[in-house]
Amino acid sequence: SQKIEQNSEALNIQEGKTATLTCNYTNYSPAYLQWYRQDPGRGPVFLLLIRENEKEKRKERLKVTFDTTLKQSLFHITASQPADSATYLCAPQPDTGTASKLTFGTGTRLQVTL
Amino acid sequence: DTGVSQDPRHKITKRGQNVTFRCDPISEHNRLYWYRQTLGQGPEFLTYFQNEAQLEKSRLLSDRFSAERPKGSFSTLEIQRTEQGDSAMYLCASSGDRGAYEQYFGPGTRLTVT
Repeated sequence: SQKIEQNSEALNIQEGKTATLTCNYTNYSPAYLQWYRQDPGRGPVFLLLIRENEKEKRKERLKVTFDTTLKQSLFHITASQPADSATYLCAPQPDTGTASKLTFGTGTRLQVTL
Repeated sequence: DTGVSQDPRHKITKRGQNVTFRCDPISEHNRLYWYRQTLGQGPEFLTYFQNEAQLEKSRLLSDRFSAERPKGSFSTLEIQRTEQGDSAMYLCASSGDRGAYEQYFGPGTRLTVT
């Protein structure tokens, strides 16, 4: 069965450092992979989408990589700030030719301290 | 546009009671999704609509659950004869259906069944 794995343990990092979060998937061949941010008590917020033919995508301090051979995506936040503290969810997505349901990993909680 | 809204934000009910939640999507979005999220887990897909048509239902959606989107605008999710296991955050999201894959989530309805 399809499986999406994110580190369930919280990632604690010092302000200014680069945070790297991992998303691994098995029994899956996604054409896209999305990353969302979720704050406590709120709905997820879309951050980035990367396609299978894109190795890397950037948005401000965020960088996502997508390695279809390793079946892995890495999500980096450079120069991290306490405001980046949240849970980050990945969602690999097959190409159905249209918008479709998302299957999320369990999420990794990031805590950025001063 | 004010984004996706959900009502109520919190609902406490006794086991066996029926509850109904409402979701108002972003006005130009014709796809609407319902997800359920429990503590420490990512959102799990329940069902989605293309305009007023319900296109897919998860096996998670038991016979006690029903969703409607009568005019292709707002949607309701009803749970009949609630059980303690129904306690969760119920999230609604919307998206376009052509070329746009990211989903926009509402703040969720937190259901507690006592």
